[in-house]
Amino acid sequence: GNSVTQMEGPVTLSEEAFLTINCTYTATGYPSLFWYVQYPGEGLQLLLKATKADDKGSNKGFEATYRKETTSFHLEKGSVQVSDSAVYFCALKNAGNMLTFGGGTRLMVKP
Amino acid sequence: DTGVSQNPRHKITKRGQNVTFRCDPISEHNRLYWYRQTLGQGPEFLTYFQNEAQLEKSRLLSDRFSAERPKGSFSTLEIQRTEQGDSAMYLCASSLGRNTEAFFGQGTRLTVV
Repeated sequence: GNSVTQMEGPVTLSEEAFLTINCTYTATGYPSLFWYVQYPGEGLQLLLKATKADDKGSNKGFEATYRKETTSFHLEKGSVQVSDSAVYFCALKNAGNMLTFGGGTRLMVKP
Repeated sequence: DTGVSQNPRHKITKRGQNVTFRCDPISEHNRLYWYRQTLGQGPEFLTYFQNEAQLEKSRLLSDRFSAERPKGSFSTLEIQRTEQGDSAMYLCASSLGRNTEAFFGQGTRLTVV
């Protein structure tokens, strides 16, 4: 079956630090991969996506590259801001219609 | 259109009672999804509608759970004879098509006491 594994949080960084949140997946076939973000008190929002191997998704300074050989989709940002503090979820969608999510990683950015 | 709307935002109920949640998707979105999220975990798929047809159901959806989407617009999720293990955030999402972005509502937080 499908599964997504993310690094456990919380991840605590100072402003302007480099961010990496690891995500690996198990799936049959060729899934699409996503990062969702959940800000405090808000619903899940799509941050970025990649639909095939070697694609790079990017948005708001965040990037993630679909690595089929390592079954990974790590999220990176070169310089985080306090406003990036949120919970980040890695997810995949396979031939079915549903998203399979990882457990989420809480990011806390200190000024 | 203000996005996916879920009501109520919070519900506290006694064990054994029935509860019903409502989801209003984004207009013209034909696909609607229900997920459940327990504390510290990622959302887990429950069920999916295309228009008014319920096309997929997770094994997580026990016989006490039922979902409907009459007329292919809003959807309701009912839990009968609630148990403490049902305490979770129930999320609704909608999308325009299979390969389009799913937009999530803010969820309904259920607490069973």
